[in-house]
Amino acid sequence: DTAVSQTPKYLVTQMGNDKSIKCEQNLGHDTMYWYKQDSKKFLKIMFSYNNKELIINETVPNRFSPKSPDKAHLNLHINSLELGDSAVYFCASSPLRERGVMNTEAFFGQGTRLTVV
Amino acid sequence: GENVEQHPSTLSVQEGDSAVIKCTYSDSASNYFPWYKQELGKGPQLIIDIRSNVGEKKDQRIAVTLNKTAKHFSLHITETQPEDSAVYFCAASFDSGGYQKVTFGTGTKLQVIP
Repeated sequence: DTAVSQTPKYLVTQMGNDKSIKCEQNLGHDTMYWYKQDSKKFLKIMFSYNNKELIINETVPNRFSPKSPDKAHLNLHINSLELGDSAVYFCASSPLRERGVMNTEAFFGQGTRLTVV
Repeated sequence: GENVEQHPSTLSVQEGDSAVIKCTYSDSASNYFPWYKQELGKGPQLIIDIRSNVGEKKDQRIAVTLNKTAKHFSLHITETQPEDSAVYFCAASFDSGGYQKVTFGTGTKLQVIP
């Protein structure tokens, strides 16, 4: 299936631990994103990568480190997890342009529900 | 930066009635306005979008209108069905240095009562 897939779907971990979330897209898109959705459903962009290059870093603590080994993958590593990191994290991708037009639809993964205890 | 406000935060309608969700944006550079539907336990999925050179777009029971002067855009769902129940997000996007910058609204939880 063509999609944006992220693993794991659920992640429960203790404060202070380090964890990673993986994301892969097979849509051939140039741009990938990480979003955080809090308990009130607010969707906030964290990072945007274009062809493995960091484009946007929205005031995210440096405990969060994205890594893009190639343009189809964007992983998120989180160090020293805190209670406030509990949220649903969404990976998404979009083409840089579609029929020559810049702004385009984003395709989201199913989300990773992170619970820090 | 761009600021997108979305109202209402919750909306309950009877099956068959219409639902309207409204958004305003602040940055006149925004030129792409997608609407996403998020069902429980899933990621947001695009349902309709509109570009700044168009005032209205319709796709079956869903329509979106855009007023560039007033900087607001709305989602209209007619003949609502229980499967329309979900959280809906508006978004505004513009070209920032050759890359897309998207800001989402705060979401509207729509409940369609059978």
